[in-house]
Amino acid sequence: DIQMTQSPSSLSASVGDRVTITCQASQDISNYLNWYQQKPGKAPKFLIYDASNLETGVPSRFSGSGSGTDFTFTISSLQPEDIATYYCQQYDSVPLTFGGGTKVEIK
Amino acid sequence: EVQLVESGGGLVKPGGSLRLSCAASGFTFNNAWMSWVRQASGKGLEWVGRIKSKTDGGTTDYAAPVKGRLTISRDDSKNTLYLQMNSLRTEDTAVYYCASGASGQVRGQGTLVTVSS
Repeated sequence: DIQMTQSPSSLSASVGDRVTITCQASQDISNYLNWYQQKPGKAPKFLIYDASNLETGVPSRFSGSGSGTDFTFTISSLQPEDIATYYCQQYDSVPLTFGGGTKVEIK
Repeated sequence: EVQLVESGGGLVKPGGSLRLSCAASGFTFNNAWMSWVRQASGKGLEWVGRIKSKTDGGTTDYAAPVKGRLTISRDDSKNTLYLQMNSLRTEDTAVYYCASGASGQVRGQGTLVTVSS
């Protein structure tokens, strides 16, 4: 199984800060990576596919990059509504696997 | 717009059975690979399994913890995905989400399954 390691597990930042989350795969997954946002008590919201492509309607302050084993998710200017847990997910091979999540809080 | 609406969750005793449904719209369902993903309270997301389109063989794959107990099927005439859950255990308690595409994009709102005596 492919292991997805996200870091950090949590972070605290100020409104307007640039926030970066990393996701590392245990083997090469090309660009077969999704990113999700999950607010407390809500379903996950699909944000990014193929590592860097924004889903329709997702604000442009969100972005993703990377390929192979190392990936990055960035919020260019943190907004109060971005408080959530973010997950990466690989779809290179089954079982599809998720990172452990990164909880983003406002400082 | 892709829409996935799950239903069928509820309270069931250990060893019991339940069938979840996922009604799909906004895309060509019969061409889509579909998955189920679950999330226990306070935990992360866990892939349960998937079914390929009939064109691609209609075969299924499952996560190790559910293999042999949970079965995914589809009715393309109804644009509906199913998850038959048998021999349920307390550790199956979770919100179950429907996901579309080979990449398993989670888009549903989920349905809660509680396994408890």
